Amino acid sequence: EDKVVQSPLSLVVHEGDTVTLNCSYEVTNFRSLLWYKQEKKAPTFLFMLTSSGIEKKSGRLSSILDKKELSSILNITATQTGDSAIYLCAVEAGNTPLVFGKGTRLSVIA
Amino acid sequence: GAGVSQSPSNKVTEKGKDVELRCDPISGHTALYWYRQRLGQGLEFLIYFQGNSAPDKSGLPSDRFSAERTGESVSTLTIQRTQQEDSAVYLCASSLAPGSGYPYEQYFGPGTRLTVT
Repeated sequence: EDKVVQSPLSLVVHEGDTVTLNCSYEVTNFRSLLWYKQEKKAPTFLFMLTSSGIEKKSGRLSSILDKKELSSILNITATQTGDSAIYLCAVEAGNTPLVFGKGTRLSVIA
Repeated sequence: GAGVSQSPSNKVTEKGKDVELRCDPISGHTALYWYRQRLGQGLEFLIYFQGNSAPDKSGLPSDRFSAERTGESVSTLTIQRTQQEDSAVYLCASSLAPGSGYPYEQYFGPGTRLTVT
């Protein structure tokens, strides 16, 4: 059965800290890994990763995929209170359209 | 069941036909969401049900799309007169009732991959 596991489940940090969120997967016929930020109703798309070792960057956020380790990390540097959200990882695979992890709830306090 | 389930997992249909997609949320989750994900793109919100309140249909792309939910259980998303641009993965998620501040975690189903030929 395809599976995506995120860690930690929740995290509380102070503004300015750097955080690393983890996502590991066990799927058949991996195609891509996606990261989302969920603040309100609908998660917003952050990154899509298909190739190992290539970092994707957007402002203070960056992410990289390691296909050998079947995992990805999402880094947020110089965190701000606006970064508080649930961060979701999902994997596109051959047997199921999309498999989501349970998410990491990040709280950034001033 | 243990999680959100959706059926079918894959659906191939001819242009112009109607399709119905089903979502079974986690028992006790009053909120239910439908999303669409086109290839290589992010999640697109379609519709949101919360308890017995009127659904938020603000994301439905056209009047060919409709969804129903009976109480706090199963939901069906119907697409009439399908077009090729409807080809996508349709995802359902459920959660506890969102509060006024922080959202509750959404639990996603595996999705239905719709291909319109």
